[in-house]
Amino acid sequence: QSALTQPASVSGSPGQSITISCTGTSSDVGRYNYVSWYQQYPGKAPKLVIYDVKNRPSGVSDRFSGSKSGNTASLTISGLQAEDEASYYCSSYTTFSTLVFGGGTELTVL
Amino acid sequence: EVQLVESGGGLVKPGGSLRLSCAASGFTLRDYMMNWVRQAPGKGLEWVASVDSSSSSIYYADSLKGRFTISRDNPKNSVYLQMNSLRAEDTAIYYCARDAGGFGFDSWGPGSLVSVST
Repeated sequence: QSALTQPASVSGSPGQSITISCTGTSSDVGRYNYVSWYQQYPGKAPKLVIYDVKNRPSGVSDRFSGSKSGNTASLTISGLQAEDEASYYCSSYTTFSTLVFGGGTELTVL
Repeated sequence: EVQLVESGGGLVKPGGSLRLSCAASGFTLRDYMMNWVRQAPGKGLEWVASVDSSSSSIYYADSLKGRFTISRDNPKNSVYLQMNSLRAEDTAIYYCARDAGGFGFDSWGPGSLVSVST
C-alpha cells in the first residue's frame, strides 16, 4: 500500500488561507469518507484536526476545514496564524482494512 | 482526562525482540479500537497495526506482517505490541492511538523510542 501523496511544503502569510492536498486512489481516498488530518509539532505527538473528511473534533479551531473530490482530499487553513506552523499529515482507510498516511507537509507561516 | 502512556522502548540489537505496552486511563478501553503508529527519525507517520474492542479483528501493515503482534487486555486497560526479528529500519518512535471511529485517532500517547542497532 503506497503512501498518500502530499506536497512536501507549503507556505503562507498571516491572515491568508492555504490548502494542502492529499492524493490517493480509488482504493482509499476515493472509496471511503474516512480521511483524517493531523497536526504535529516537532517532538510532539500528532493531534487530530479533521476526521471523516470534513468534521472537526471538539476544541479544534473552525479555521480548519476539510473536503474531498474524487481521489484527492484537501485541508484548508484560513486566517493563517503563526501557531499553525507545523507538519500536517492526511490518512485514509483502505479496501485492505488498513490505514495509509500521507508523506506529510511542512507548513511555514512567513 | 483521556491518557495513553507507552512504555517498553529502548535499545535492542538486530534480530532481537521488544514488547511495548500502552496504559490507558480516563476512558473505557473496551469501547474503542486501538492502534500503533510509528515515526522513524525525521520521517513521516506509518500505521503499524490495529485491534478492535474485543480482539476479534486485527490488522497489520503489509510490511510488518509476521514480525509484529498487537494485543490488548481490557481489564488491565492495556494494549501491547510484540516486536520480533527487529531490523534497523524499525527504529522509530512508536505511538499508541485511540480510534474515535473511522480511523480518526483522537488521542495519542507521547510515544516510546525503539532503537535497533549493534
